[in-house]
Amino acid sequence: GAGVSQSPSNKVTEKGKDVELRCDPISGHTALYWYRQSLGQGLEFLIYFQGNSAPDKSGLPSDRFSAERTGGSVSTLTIQRTQQEDSAVYLCASSTGTVRDGYTFGSGTRLTVV
Amino acid sequence: AQSVTQPDIHITVSEGASLELRCNYSYGATPYLFWYVQSPGQGLQLLLKYFSGDTLVQGIKGFEAEFKRSQSSFNLRKPSVHWSDAAEYFCAVGGYNTNAGKSTFGDGTTLTVKP
Repeated sequence: GAGVSQSPSNKVTEKGKDVELRCDPISGHTALYWYRQSLGQGLEFLIYFQGNSAPDKSGLPSDRFSAERTGGSVSTLTIQRTQQEDSAVYLCASSTGTVRDGYTFGSGTRLTVV
Repeated sequence: AQSVTQPDIHITVSEGASLELRCNYSYGATPYLFWYVQSPGQGLQLLLKYFSGDTLVQGIKGFEAEFKRSQSSFNLRKPSVHWSDAAEYFCAVGGYNTNAGKSTFGDGTTLTVKP
């Protein structure tokens, strides 16, 4: 597609429920990233996929968080047993895989856990 | 480890005034440096980037940034700010090694523009 698409744009869930956030990167981009942005905070790295390599999961805050990328394209971030502190905007970005090209970001998913 | 510091959390300037947003980085090799802008309710948009060559780089929307290796800085500037520039600005550093993967972002600077 023309840009990075994220869905849903907003999600309200009850504490303890599982949620799935979707990211559809730019066609041909080999790298895909998930970041989290809490209110008034910067960007917190979560996970990074590059081609067929094993993902860099070093930023996932707990084992309740997981992500997969199917067919080198669409990615799903799953949060199990959501907690109130998971409330944030989850941003997805894709890139050519060359660091110097920078990222193209989606508009994000605003997750609210009540 | 790479890191980025944006010393100013919030800056207010008058429309038409000049702007400088500060960014200091820490990286053990030649860095790739970026500035992104985030308008309310939107994702981040790449404004400009530096990876080699001329240390003064031009970006979109009339922004420029200067890489100063001796000061480990990559400050963003604009000669005359417009009301539409009100947004949050993020500086980021990425690895020279293309396998290094992710960029590290600063905490952002919120720009308010007074009429």
